[in-house]
Amino acid sequence: GAVVSQHPSRVICKSGTSVKIECRSLDFQATTMFWYRQFPKQSLMLMATSNEGSKATYEQGVEKDKFLINHASLTLSTLTVTSAHPEDSSFYICSAGLGGARSYGYTFGSGTRLTVV
Amino acid sequence: AQSVTQLGSHVSVSEGALVLLRCNYSSSVPPYLFWYVQYPNQGLQLLLKYTSAATLVKGINGFEAEFKKSETSFHLTKPSAHMSDAAEYFCAVSERNDKIIFGKGTRLHILP
Repeated sequence: GAVVSQHPSRVICKSGTSVKIECRSLDFQATTMFWYRQFPKQSLMLMATSNEGSKATYEQGVEKDKFLINHASLTLSTLTVTSAHPEDSSFYICSAGLGGARSYGYTFGSGTRLTVV
Repeated sequence: AQSVTQLGSHVSVSEGALVLLRCNYSSSVPPYLFWYVQYPNQGLQLLLKYTSAATLVKGINGFEAEFKKSETSFHLTKPSAHMSDAAEYFCAVSERNDKIIFGKGTRLHILP
């Protein structure tokens, strides 16, 4: 079945530095991947839709310059949190699917716990 | 705009008892609906999905959900709770552009 790998699972960084999170579809090609953010004991908030070979589509209120998304290949999307601050600390989860939610439902990565100190 | 409302942020049931997690949706077009489960510090696992076929959907781990258009509901049930069912459950809806919008989640507690 479809497997999505997310790396790293945990990262601690200093305030002001940048962190890159990778999301890979291991056994399928994903033209679209999604990035979510989850605060403790809360739901997942869609941040952006990552489109292979084109610019990402960001949800309202999400800073494009702060959360850089690159989807350079059909199996890899990256989220870079630039100039990270403690308020960026959160659980970030990516998802990808073969034919979209209507066909398959999406497979989710195991998430990345980001802590900015 | 599409949305889902999960009634009850916490639900406690005894082991062996019926599990019922409630979800109501709002959508301007026939929706596709999902239930996901999340264990601590992990990603989400798809339990089941409704994609306009049978209204009663059976999923993994003995869970099922019934789509009721008249009630705009998609409640999740399991006849007999197991300790391993303790987790966070999310109802979700997809309307267009394949984006999935999640409810706030329900924490299921299983009492021994």
